[in-house]
Amino acid sequence: AAGVIQSPRHLIKEKRETATLKCYPIPRHDTVYWYQQGPGQDPQFLISFYEKMQSDKGSIPDRFSAQQFSDYHSELNMSSLELGDSALYFCASSRPTGPSGTYEQYFGPGTRLTVT
Amino acid sequence: QKEVEQDPGPLSVPEGAIVSLNCTYSNSAFQYFMWYRQYSRKGPELLMYTYSSGNKEDGRFTAQVDKSSKYISLFIRDSQPSDSATYLCAMTSDSWGKLQFGAGTQVVVTP
Repeated sequence: AAGVIQSPRHLIKEKRETATLKCYPIPRHDTVYWYQQGPGQDPQFLISFYEKMQSDKGSIPDRFSAQQFSDYHSELNMSSLELGDSALYFCASSRPTGPSGTYEQYFGPGTRLTVT
Repeated sequence: QKEVEQDPGPLSVPEGAIVSLNCTYSNSAFQYFMWYRQYSRKGPELLMYTYSSGNKEDGRFTAQVDKSSKYISLFIRDSQPSDSATYLCAMTSDSWGKLQFGAGTQVVVTP
């Protein structure tokens, strides 16, 4: 079965540079979520999109922005990178399934961002 | 204090034993409960998804939710060395909403 695709898998940037992370959801999934996982920490929600509109926002710095495109893929843009931005960035996708309309979130393999 | 509490372990069990994992939470609005398995440097893999209170079984995995106690559990029967991973509980108040994760429990199954 098709899974969530993220690119690049690894990214090394210097402080103050910019980075763009891409996410391609599972086909027919209409909702995309971004999470940040620091070393030894649990994933923290950043932002989500439903049908190309922002649906929720978490602890996402103002230096970060994201959008979902017409083909449902999403991009997370990160500017003025700081050392503390080094983390695993996960994208998850979902769509309603079952009689109760549950949204099971399926995660991609992640992008490991290292800021030096 | 975090909304979701989970003992980080590590939890070491011999092959074939039952692995028992649990999480407690404080937000009574949570209605949807999930368990994810995460291998080192990989993305979380959805194992179980449960709505409201009750039990759910899938193969060697059983998930239990007790909303009155704000307590969820995951049991893994006949554990295998390949079950060695970090297990994360996650929950949300809206089915489409952001997930609130526990810290994750590292499980080691020894042959």
